[in-house]
Amino acid sequence: DTAVSQTPKYLVTQMGNDKSIKCEQNLGHDTMYWYKQDSKKFLKIMFSYNNKELIINETVPNRFSPKSPDKAHLNLHINSLELGDSAVYFCASSLDRGSYEQYFGPGTRLTVT
Amino acid sequence: DAKTTQPPSMDCAEGRAANLPCNHSTISGNEYVYWYRQIHSQGPQYIIHGLKNNETNEMASLIITEDRKSSTLILPHATLRDTAVYYCIVRAPLRSGTYKYIFGTGTRLKVLA
Repeated sequence: DTAVSQTPKYLVTQMGNDKSIKCEQNLGHDTMYWYKQDSKKFLKIMFSYNNKELIINETVPNRFSPKSPDKAHLNLHINSLELGDSAVYFCASSLDRGSYEQYFGPGTRLTVT
Repeated sequence: DAKTTQPPSMDCAEGRAANLPCNHSTISGNEYVYWYRQIHSQGPQYIIHGLKNNETNEMASLIITEDRKSSTLILPHATLRDTAVYYCIVRAPLRSGTYKYIFGTGTRLKVLA
């Protein structure tokens, strides 16, 4: 069974569209994260939720809005997509906010044309 | 935020030890050093972490200098499957037991047959 899963794996869309990426973890973890990996392979934290509560919100445009309907799910909605949003987005989870290990999903490659 | 500096790439012969260096000269006293690796665009995978003392697990060893300004990840017997990008990361505490990973640019390790 996949521990952290993301859908879709690939997403190609046009500028100005709104899209969502879904993430689910079946590890029973309390904390989930979204990371963005740009074309230079640089990974940066975007958001983190602990038991449905937002605990990390880095400098990310307002067009990005995370939603956590329950602690096993953390979705990322992006409005008015721009070319610069093209990247690989990784979801991750950890047992709790202080846990030393994060488990990453397979990533969603978003291409904005 | 503490930052890490790693060589962009390294080669290692199969069966030999791979020693991956990392500089983190601005690390604070309560910031841990973590190592993750990313195999061919999959999600990053946890390897090991440490604060002051050297650490060893089934995957690798971590040697941290006494002044904590640098560390070395050692893969004792590298295999072809160890070919990946290895990230040296500082885990920075935020508030209320929350942490964030600050990823470096990584070292692309190529294990040669």
